[in-house]
Amino acid sequence: DAKTTQPNSMESNEEEPVHLPCNHSTISGTDYIHWYRQLPSQGPEYVIHGLTSNVNNRMASLAIAEDRKSSTLILHRATLRDAAVYYCILRQGSSNTGKLIFGQGTTLQVKP
Amino acid sequence: DTGVSQDPRHKITKRGQNVTFRCDPISEHNRLYWYRQTLGQGPEFLTYFQNEAQLEKSRLLSDRFSAERPKGSFSTLEIQRTEQGDSAMYLCASSLLSGQPQHFGDGTRLSIL
Repeated sequence: DAKTTQPNSMESNEEEPVHLPCNHSTISGTDYIHWYRQLPSQGPEYVIHGLTSNVNNRMASLAIAEDRKSSTLILHRATLRDAAVYYCILRQGSSNTGKLIFGQGTTLQVKP
Repeated sequence: DTGVSQDPRHKITKRGQNVTFRCDPISEHNRLYWYRQTLGQGPEFLTYFQNEAQLEKSRLLSDRFSAERPKGSFSTLEIQRTEQGDSAMYLCASSLLSGQPQHFGDGTRLSIL
């Protein structure tokens, strides 16, 4: 399984944008980039996913590098509720299991 | 859509006892996944079902662990002869299809005394 590398932790101020980076230099052509987040005492929550093109949804934006070896999750205006562990995960498009391989993620702290 | 429900939320038991957890996925979701999460780590895949068929089991799933999904609806995860190392959060997730986002429950936290 291709691996991802994320910073252990990041800090942000409330109402400012946050850019969470993820490196995946061994990504294959059929791997999808997924982002999940986990708030304290809760299960993980799907945020966004993409293959090649940048993606936007109501929660966040996903910017994917042209060579696909890195991506950035963008929270446009951080709130206190966005404090969580953010996981960048590669899911094999060619695999039928759909299982997610989590790393340790980035712990985001949001300051008021 | 009431979300994925797991029961119980917390379970405390003595070493050597058997425990069983239940997961109710989102209705009509064909895929059901079990993960385990220890403190400070990301969730680790244990097993998954396509309807009632268990299609993959991780090597983490020793012979003391068994999972079922009768009739393709709810699922149970049983751990026999629990050990200290079994202490963890056990998470269940469901999805409509393989490539679709997974919806997680809030887990069952198991503590072994």
